[in-house]
Amino acid sequence: EVLLTQSPDFQSVTPKEKVTITCRASQSIGTSIHWYQQKADQSPKVLIKYASQSFSGVPSRFSGSGSGTDFTLTINGLEGEDAATYYCHQSSSLPYTFGQGTKLEIK
Amino acid sequence: QVQLQESGPGLVKPSGTLSLTCAVPGGSISSSNWWSWVRQPPGRGLEWIGEINHSGSTNYNPSLKSRVSISVDKSKNQFSLKLNSVTAADTAVYYCASLSSTWYVFDYWGQGTLVTVSS
Repeated sequence: EVLLTQSPDFQSVTPKEKVTITCRASQSIGTSIHWYQQKADQSPKVLIKYASQSFSGVPSRFSGSGSGTDFTLTINGLEGEDAATYYCHQSSSLPYTFGQGTKLEIK
Repeated sequence: QVQLQESGPGLVKPSGTLSLTCAVPGGSISSSNWWSWVRQPPGRGLEWIGEINHSGSTNYNPSLKSRVSISVDKSKNQFSLKLNSVTAADTAVYYCASLSSTWYVFDYWGQGTLVTVSS
């Protein structure tokens, strides 16, 4: 099983700030990492697929990078509506696994 | 746009069986997607339970494999989850989701349903 470890677990940030969330895989998974945003009491929504490809309809301030074992989700110009928990997910091998989540609080 | 709607009891007794159904209005269960169940214990992260495709092929999380069964009913355009021998640790919001066969991302999710295991 591929373990995904995100950092940080929690971050308090101000609007317009640049935010970086990392996801480290326990083994090399190429670019088979995807990022989701989950707002309070809502279902997760895809932001980024295959490490760096924006999903349809996602604002351009969200971007991703990385390959192998280290991946990054970047939010450029944070907005108040970005308060949420962010998860990485790997589809390289079964069972599919998720990171533990990074909760973003907007000051 | 594909919609998914979970339904089922919100309360299950310990040692009992959790049963949920996911209807797929606006979409076809016979598409090439994989139809999945994901759960989220209160205040915690996401755990993939398993998946099924239109032909009935299944994959399960090894951590739950001995207790879980996923089936599909093409005539009703829905798929179902059964988890037996439940304990309080199975209390969670259960989501059904579609895994795109093109990108292998969970592109559509149900709204989620809270299942509590308690006597």
